[in-house]
Parts: sequence; C-alpha cells; structure tokens
Amino acid sequence: GAGVSQSPSNKVTEKGKDVELRCDPISGHTALYWYRQRLGQGLEFLIYFQGNSAPDKSGLPSDRFSAERTGESVSTLTIQRTQQEDSAVYLCASSSSGTSWNNEQFFGPGTRLTVL
Amino acid sequence: QKEVEQNSGPLSVPEGAIASLNCTYSDRGSQSFFWYRQYSGKSPELIMSIYSNGDKEDGRFTAQLNKASQYVSLLIRDSQPSDSATYLCAPYGGGSYIPTFGRGTSLIVHP
Repeated sequence: GAGVSQSPSNKVTEKGKDVELRCDPISGHTALYWYRQRLGQGLEFLIYFQGNSAPDKSGLPSDRFSAERTGESVSTLTIQRTQQEDSAVYLCASSSSGTSWNNEQFFGPGTRLTVL
Repeated sequence: QKEVEQNSGPLSVPEGAIASLNCTYSDRGSQSFFWYRQYSGKSPELIMSIYSNGDKEDGRFTAQLNKASQYVSLLIRDSQPSDSATYLCAPYGGGSYIPTFGRGTSLIVHP
C-alpha cells in the first residue's frame, strides 16, 4: 500500500515569507507526528495528533509554527515569517495508534526547507 | 527530561563482522523500544522493535533489551556496506505518547 507522502519535497523561500508543508499519512493511521531535523542533527519533535483529540503542541519552537489535521487525514504544518534558522528537513510520521505500546512510526520522505 | 544516549560514532567495522550499537535511556517507564535506520539524505525507516527483556532476532538483526539496566542494543551480523547508515534508538511509553529519539550512531561498513 501507499506510504506516508509529503509535499513539496523541496521548498526554497525568502526570509519573512510564510510556508505550508503537507503530509498525507497512511490510510487508517490515527496518529501523526511532525519532526524537524537540522543538518547533521537528531529528530526534534514538533507536534502530535491522535484521532480527534487535541494535539500535543509541546514541541513547537515558537508561535510562528502551527499545524492542523482534519480528522485522521491530511495534515499541514505552517511556518509564518520564516527565519533562516527554520531551514531544515521537516519529517512527518504516522502510526496505526499513538496510544498503544506498539507505536511503530512510518516516516514520509520529508520536505527540505531552505530559507534564504 | 527524558534522555536517550547513543555513541555518535562513527562506528567502523569490516564487511562480514558483527556491528554492535548501544543505547541507554533515562525513563524507567519506557515500554517499547524501536530501532530506525536512516541513510544519508533519507528519512528514518523502522527496522526492529522490542518490548520484552531478552533478545529478538530478525534476519541479520538482533535487538537486546535489559530494562533493569535501561539498556537496549542492536547487533547486525554479517555486516554489509549497505548497512552503512545512522541508527536511531527510540524508547517509547512511560506516560507519553511521544517517542524520544536518540541522536543516532553512524555505522560505516567497509569492504
């Protein structure tokens, strides 16, 4: 079956512009995560969605970052007024259940964001 | 603050050898443990999961878990150059629905 997809694969933007990144999880997966990975660094958790519950936004680095998810489908991560330090690969992962012990995550290919 | 410690490496092993990757974690409530492989420029890919103390084998991979010592490891037998990647350890559970990822160990398998 289809895996997690993300778009765009690459995004180059100018400092101060807003960007929107999209994630399509595996069909039926109730849990969706967004991570940021700077060059040569580890995964940085941003936000977690589980079904129709309120998202866990504890990882969002500033109020310039926001994310939405409609039900158990597509999610969008929006970065307003982008800064150069926002340059990174943004990864989305989905899981069949984020509340069970068997929380195996499947990652999308990522969106490489470059802020000039 | 949950911590996951991995030796960043690089760990260099010859082709055909056993590669041993180690991970320690701070959250005693962790219930599940995942190993992800990440090739350079690619996204992480799940390769092993382990939930109980002891060993779990899957092909050339063996995961070992010791909850008392808060230690999990991944052994790769008959290492191949295609195993060259960064391996991420990710404990999960303990009241949080967010896995904690280690920084990863870079493995280089040389012919």
